[in-house]
Amino acid sequence: QLVLTQSPSASASLGASVKLTCTLSSGHSSYPIAWHQQQPEKGPRYLMNLNSDGSHSKGDGIPDRFSGSSSGAERYLTISSLQSEDEADYYCQTWGTGIQGVFGGGTKLTVL
Amino acid sequence: EVQLLESGGGLVQPGGSLRLSCAASGFTFSSCAMNWVRQAPGRGLEWVSTFTGSGGSTYYAASVKGRFTISRDNSKNTLYLQMNSLRAEDTAIYYCAKSPYSNSVGGFDYWGQGTLVTVSS
Repeated sequence: QLVLTQSPSASASLGASVKLTCTLSSGHSSYPIAWHQQQPEKGPRYLMNLNSDGSHSKGDGIPDRFSGSSSGAERYLTISSLQSEDEADYYCQTWGTGIQGVFGGGTKLTVL
Repeated sequence: EVQLLESGGGLVQPGGSLRLSCAASGFTFSSCAMNWVRQAPGRGLEWVSTFTGSGGSTYYAASVKGRFTISRDNSKNTLYLQMNSLRAEDTAIYYCAKSPYSNSVGGFDYWGQGTLVTVSS
């Protein structure tokens, strides 16, 4: 079964960097994912697609502070030079043949 | 500029029906798979349904299969979700989301602002 696992929460200081993790279930380590940001009281916003080799393509207007990387079944979202508006929920999403949409549980990022 | 505008949400009694719409603009609607995703109060995102571009295949989450029907009108650039036999657990904000591909979901690359559905007596 295709499952994405995320830590429920993370925190980092203003101006610092943070690395969020999304883990694919066993047997699915080659799957690509997408990262989405949801600021408080807003709809989700697409950040990027991230492949198993670490290559990624970002959405329109996404700052260079946001980057992605991969290692095995882990997919990472790194946010550098944290700003207050980066405080949000971050979701990973994947898909596959016959599997239309799977989301991780989300990580709530607090900027201290 | 890609825009997705949902409408049709509201308060409905358990067992009732509601039809959501998503008006799309700024891209070739017929060439993209389109999706509904929902978010219950205080909860995470849950994929609900997908309608592919060419081929016109439909897919549903187990939680809504047999009760919800997704459809699209490519001449009107509009996606729909007919929701029947509504339950309290269907209460959520419903988002329309665009796929970058025609016959596969991919990472949802654009989202609407959502429409709230409340199922309560």
